[in-house]
Amino acid sequence: AQSVTQPDIHITVSEGASLELRCNYSYGATPYLFWYVQSPGQGLQLLLKYFSGDTLVQGIKGFEAEFKRSQSSFNLRKPSVHWSDAAEYFCAVGALTGGGNKLTFGTGTQLKVEL
Amino acid sequence: GAVVSQHPSRVICKSGTSVKIECRSLDFQATTMFWYRQFPKQSLMLMATSNEGSKATYEQGVEKDKFLINHASLTLSTLTVTSAHPEDSSFYICSAVRDRGTNTQYFGPGTRLTVL
Repeated sequence: AQSVTQPDIHITVSEGASLELRCNYSYGATPYLFWYVQSPGQGLQLLLKYFSGDTLVQGIKGFEAEFKRSQSSFNLRKPSVHWSDAAEYFCAVGALTGGGNKLTFGTGTQLKVEL
Repeated sequence: GAVVSQHPSRVICKSGTSVKIECRSLDFQATTMFWYRQFPKQSLMLMATSNEGSKATYEQGVEKDKFLINHASLTLSTLTVTSAHPEDSSFYICSAVRDRGTNTQYFGPGTRLTVL
């Protein structure tokens, strides 16, 4: 069965500082990997996804993520955080084949941005 | 593109009543939609997979008779919480698969259900 671990429940960074949110996955086959962001009381917005090709993926809002198969990781990064980036971030893994399109989500990382 | 809407955004009902939540894909067709439940400060818990024209597939532990799902068209899935109780109060989020080959899900804004 697939699983996702987001080791950091809360992260606080200063505005303008760099950010890295960790995500480790467990899946026997080639995974699809996603990062979503959720603002309070809202649904999830897709930031970026990886399913093949270049292991460094660019997303919206200046985010990027790097797929490292050897480390089973898909960490999210941003070089300079803005106050509006404060939100909950979820990493998710989906099956390349089978799995019925299901996604397995991590427990999320709450990002706080200090001005 | 890839906009998913949910209606209502917020609903308060009395215990014992039924509540219907709609999920629509506005600019694409979705043969598969998903329904999730999210408790405060927790991750999303998949409740069921909704497939157009067929019965929904429920996750283990989810009561299919309590959470009725209908996927009547390629752009609409509904979740009906029957005989709602206070413990059913939660944030319900739907998603729709647009890019079937990559399993990319696009999420609705969620529905906050409060059962008094």
